[in-house]
Amino acid sequence: QKEVEQDPGPLSVPEGAIVSLNCTYSNSAFQYFMWYRQYSRKGPELLMYTYSSGNKEDGRFTAQVDKSSKYISLFIRDSQPSDSATYLCASFTAQGAQKLVFGQGTRLTINP
Amino acid sequence: DTAVSQTPKYLVTQMGNDKSIKCEQNLGHDTMYWYKQDSKKFLKIMFSYNNKELIINETVPNRFSPKSPDKAHLNLHINSLELGDSAVYFCASSDPNSPLHFGNGTRLTVT
Repeated sequence: QKEVEQDPGPLSVPEGAIVSLNCTYSNSAFQYFMWYRQYSRKGPELLMYTYSSGNKEDGRFTAQVDKSSKYISLFIRDSQPSDSATYLCASFTAQGAQKLVFGQGTRLTINP
Repeated sequence: DTAVSQTPKYLVTQMGNDKSIKCEQNLGHDTMYWYKQDSKKFLKIMFSYNNKELIINETVPNRFSPKSPDKAHLNLHINSLELGDSAVYFCASSDPNSPLHFGNGTRLTVT
């Protein structure tokens, strides 16, 4: 079993829809949680970064972490075609980012 | 100004050859990494260096040898390339307990 599980999709939604992307994890020692966005033929770029449980909002993006159920979510409001990319969740423990573990990534397409 | 830069962007080579990938970061981070992304987009850590010292080696064949001449540079040398080495290799850097910043990858194709 992978430490971080993510449905690879693909997921296709119409422009303007609310998108929900999710991950589950098995390591209860994970404390830092990230979402990365990766466009085709580019490197992953950091989208959201949270510590422990709770919500974090940045513009149209909201990240949620529920440590009790080991569930990580990313919500995208008013989705745009430019949001089409692969979204990767990732986590690491207090031991440091050297042990960052990624989910497989969900490929998202926003249709105009 | 590119924060993490890798060269080359594309690398096509034959089985058995030896090749190197170079990485440089201008973020002032102490820690640098090599990640491998397979055809299913799964990213897996290969190596991590902290201030020129190897701190993580994740069961990578010894045909792969990283080298860090200084804390801003991390190179990856691969000997006797095999078909299964075809993948995208990403360099990254970070501060402790901070998210990683990635380069745009080197797409390696072994024929």
